[in-house]
Amino acid sequence: QKEVEQDPGPLSVPEGAIVSLNCTYSNSAFQYFMWYRQYSRKGPELLMYTYSSGNKEDGRFTAQVDKSSKYISLFIRDSQPSDSATYLCASHSGGYQKVTFGTGTKLQVIP
Amino acid sequence: NAGVTQTPKFQVLKTGQSMTLQCAQDMNHNSMYWYRQDPGMGLRLIYYSASEGTTDKGEVPNGYNVSRLNKREFSLRLESAAPSQTSVYFCASSGTGLNQPQHFGDGTRLSIL
Repeated sequence: QKEVEQDPGPLSVPEGAIVSLNCTYSNSAFQYFMWYRQYSRKGPELLMYTYSSGNKEDGRFTAQVDKSSKYISLFIRDSQPSDSATYLCASHSGGYQKVTFGTGTKLQVIP
Repeated sequence: NAGVTQTPKFQVLKTGQSMTLQCAQDMNHNSMYWYRQDPGMGLRLIYYSASEGTTDKGEVPNGYNVSRLNKREFSLRLESAAPSQTSVYFCASSGTGLNQPQHFGDGTRLSIL
């Protein structure tokens, strides 16, 4: 079993929809949680970086962590075609950090 | 803003050839990383350098060597390329202090024939 599991998709939604992307993790030591966005033929770009449980909002993006259920979510409001990309969740336990990445969920927002 | 720059962007090698992938960052970051990304496998850490002068193995180091040339530059070398090393290679860096997020370059697409 991988330490961070993510549905590969693809997920197709109409423009303007609310998107929910999810990951589960198995390592109880994970305390830091990240979402990266990766466009085709580009490197991962950091979207959200959170510590421990709770919500963090940045514009149309909300990251949510539930450590009791080991569940990580990213919500995208008012989705745009420019949000079409692969979204990677990632976690680490702190320090000089071996970050564990999910395999990514491919999102397509249809105009 | 350049951030993390990787060269080359694409390369085709024959089995047994050697190659060095270059990475440079201009964010004054202490830590640097090399990953490979394969379909269905996600990003896997090859080597990392927590600070200038130190390097450590990651999850998949076999067949690779690294050099932390200075604070800005971290290179990855394939001494004798194998088809199993066909992948997209990403370099990343993270800032001073613990728990800083990693920032990635745009990758080198490497094919070994």
